[in-house]
Parts: sequence; structure tokens; C-alpha cells
Amino acid sequence: DSGVTQTPKHLITATGQRVTLRCSPRSGDLSVYWYQQSLDQGLQFLIQYYNGEERAKGNILERFSAQQFPDLHSELNLSSLELGDSALYFCASSPRGAHYGYTFGSGTRLTVV
Amino acid sequence: QQQVKQSPQSLIVQKGGISIINCAYENTAFDYFPWYQQFPGKGPALLIAIRPDVSEKKEGRFTISFNKSAKQFSLHIMDSQPGDSATYFCAASNGALGGADGLTFGKGTHLIIQP
Repeated sequence: DSGVTQTPKHLITATGQRVTLRCSPRSGDLSVYWYQQSLDQGLQFLIQYYNGEERAKGNILERFSAQQFPDLHSELNLSSLELGDSALYFCASSPRGAHYGYTFGSGTRLTVV
Repeated sequence: QQQVKQSPQSLIVQKGGISIINCAYENTAFDYFPWYQQFPGKGPALLIAIRPDVSEKKEGRFTISFNKSAKQFSLHIMDSQPGDSATYFCAASNGALGGADGLTFGKGTHLIIQP
């Protein structure tokens, strides 16, 4: 157990729908990162939050959004889902804001049908 | 350019042999080079990392070799064991500066250690 908790582990939904993925970082970690892993694109950085505020934005689609709450857990919202959004979504956390020493969760496998 | 190129895509090594995975990068601002190990159904786990001020770092059977002038770094797994069979990812970041790229990952190497 890495200490980073992601729920749900699996999610199957239809095109056009909206889903929310949840992440609880390791105790004491202030940064949360979201990554998408697909066979063709590999691991792609989506977005980072640090202590409740957006810190960095990567290849995140406008249909996707995220937030980090006062208790430091984070949610990734995916809307108007398309078949191509099917992927593994990983959350990672680190103690501070720099991109060092990530700890990843076990991921949420999203299947859009 | 933010790309990190990793090779080979797949690798088969006999038990007890040395596994070598290579990565090359373009962005000279990168200052942190980790390797991650991923087993099926699990998230990537940090294996070992290096900063560009050293040319080699060793932790147990795992060694990173770093060549700053060539902008290349590699992972060596000595005395490879069947339990090392996994997908390995190299990555890079300009972590201190943060920025929009997060960790930039290579495409991964699927390593199989044959008993």
C-alpha cells in the first residue's frame, strides 16, 4: 500500500456521461498530481494541486477539471466522456510543490462504452 | 522539447543477467531523473532517482548511470530476478522550477526475466 488512495478502482460508463474520480494523498503530502495512462500516449501529466490551489496544468482537456479540498483530498471530474477517454487515471502525491519524489496510487480504470 | 525517449520497448533477460534500459532527453533544464517500476494492476512505484550533479547512483541491485553531455541516462539491474519482471519507466522534470510539464515519462520498457 503506497498510502495514496484512489476510488473507485474500476468505472464503466457511457459516452456523454460525467464521472468523478477521488484521491486521498499520503498523510502529510500537500501536492496532488493527476496522470492519464493509455497504451498510445503513455503516462501524461494532467494537473497539479498544492495545498488547495492549482499549481501546474499539463495536457488536460477542457472537459476535465479537478480540485483539491481543505482536507487535501482531490477529485478529478471528467465530463462529456468519449470513447478515447478510456484509460487508467493515476493520482500521485508528494510532500511539497516541486516535481520530486512522487508516490502513485493504484489508479482508476475508466472504460467508456 | 519535453520528450523523453526510452529504449528498448521490451527486453528479455535470463535470471542472473544484467538488464539495461536507456533513456535520452532534450530539455537541458531537467534536473531530476527518476525510474519507476510498474506491476500489472498497480501504480508506478519510485525505484531510484538521480540529479545531474552525479554520474552514477546505486541502490542495491539497481544503478542509474547519467551522462549529462550526451543527455542520456540508463538503468542497470544487476543479478536480474523473475520478481523484477515489470514495466519500467524513466522520467524527467525540472522539479525545482515546477512548471506545466510535471514529470515527463518515457514510453516504458516491458522487462521479462526468464528463470
